[in-house]
Amino acid sequence: AQSVTQPDIHITVSEGASLELRCNYSYGATPYLFWYVQSPGQGLQLLLKYFSGDTLVQGIKGFEAEFKRSQSSFNLRKPSVHWSDAAEYFCAVGAHSGGYQKVTFGTGTKLQVIP
Amino acid sequence: KAGVTQTPRYLIKTRGQQVTLSCSPISGHRSVSWYQQTPGQGLQFLFEYFSETQRNKGNFPGRFSGRQFSNSRSEMNVSTLELGDSALYLCASTRQGIRNEQFFGPGTRLTVL
Repeated sequence: AQSVTQPDIHITVSEGASLELRCNYSYGATPYLFWYVQSPGQGLQLLLKYFSGDTLVQGIKGFEAEFKRSQSSFNLRKPSVHWSDAAEYFCAVGAHSGGYQKVTFGTGTKLQVIP
Repeated sequence: KAGVTQTPRYLIKTRGQQVTLSCSPISGHRSVSWYQQTPGQGLQFLFEYFSETQRNKGNFPGRFSGRQFSNSRSEMNVSTLELGDSALYLCASTRQGIRNEQFFGPGTRLTVL
């Protein structure tokens, strides 16, 4: 069975600073990887996804993530954080299971942005 | 194209009651998944329905049940509510097939008193 670890529960960065959120997964084959963002009281919005091909994936809102098979990681990055990026971020891994996709979410990382 | 809608958005119930939550997926999406989100447990998978059949289930007691209709709309029911059932319940829809992302609704905030 697949699993996802987000080691940082809470991260605080200054506005304008760079950001990296860590995500490690466990799965025997090539996984499908996702990053979602959740604003308070809202549902989850997809930021980006990786299925195959180029290991550097561009997403919405200026986010990118890099798939590193050797490290089983899929870290999310942004070069310059804006105050509106304050939210909770979830990494997820999808895997085949009986002919369809099963998605497992990490526990999330809360991002605080300070002026 | 309209997104995933969930009704009601907020609900207050008392212990022992039952509740039904509704989810309308994006048009053309036949898979609907339900999640429970709490501060202590994070996002936990409840179940998934595809073409009116439950094809995947998480580790929740039998008090949690669901169903899907022929138009892909889904409902989940929680009977004999407990205080610990207070949570944000999220519904997500997916197109048929694999390698497709889930699209989430805004959730239903359930408070059990």
